[in-house]
Amino acid sequence: AQTVTQSQPEMSVQEAETVTLSCTYDTSESDYYLFWYKQPPSRQMILVIRQEAYKQQNATENRFSVNFQKAAKSFSLKISDSQLGDAAMYFCAYRDSNYQLIWGAGTKLIIKP
Amino acid sequence: DVKVTQSSRYLVKRTGEKVFLECVQDMDHENMFWYRQDPGLGLRLIYFSYDVKMKEKGDIPEGYSVSREKKERFSLILESASTNQTSMYLCASSLYPTATTPHNEQFFGPGTRLTVL
Repeated sequence: AQTVTQSQPEMSVQEAETVTLSCTYDTSESDYYLFWYKQPPSRQMILVIRQEAYKQQNATENRFSVNFQKAAKSFSLKISDSQLGDAAMYFCAYRDSNYQLIWGAGTKLIIKP
Repeated sequence: DVKVTQSSRYLVKRTGEKVFLECVQDMDHENMFWYRQDPGLGLRLIYFSYDVKMKEKGDIPEGYSVSREKKERFSLILESASTNQTSMYLCASSLYPTATTPHNEQFFGPGTRLTVL
């Protein structure tokens, strides 16, 4: 069975600096999707970025980018120029062949002003 | 924009009560999901539905049931609430994967924080 591991329960970063959140997963499938979701305090979960496993190029969305290492089964999220509004729980998720999401435990990101 | 709404943000119930959590989406999505979210455990899938009147068990269905009588509405039912069902409950919806949207991103409601006393 697939598993997703986020080894950092909490991370903090100074405003305007860069932070990287880690995610590893375990699977025997070759084609799949990976996602990073953000859950701000008392607000809805929203999609930050997604990566298709068959694409070599790392996905980017403005200040958010991923470092996808398929052989190492690693999918880290880099946030550049951190802003106060980036403070949230961040969840890494793997979409299996049944189209269901398997979630990591989450990383709480704190932004220091 | 996709909108997923949940009937209550906060709910307090007594042990043994029957509890209904309602979820409505307005984007004609085929798939709907119920998760519970607990600290340190991430999101765990309770039930999901691919179509009206269709339901499938997720990873933790015990103590829960669901109903999907209309495409836009997916209800989670706690037949006899217990204290270990105190949690945050999240509803989500998505399109069925197609050639143009193979990734079927899930859209979430705001969540219902349920406390069972």
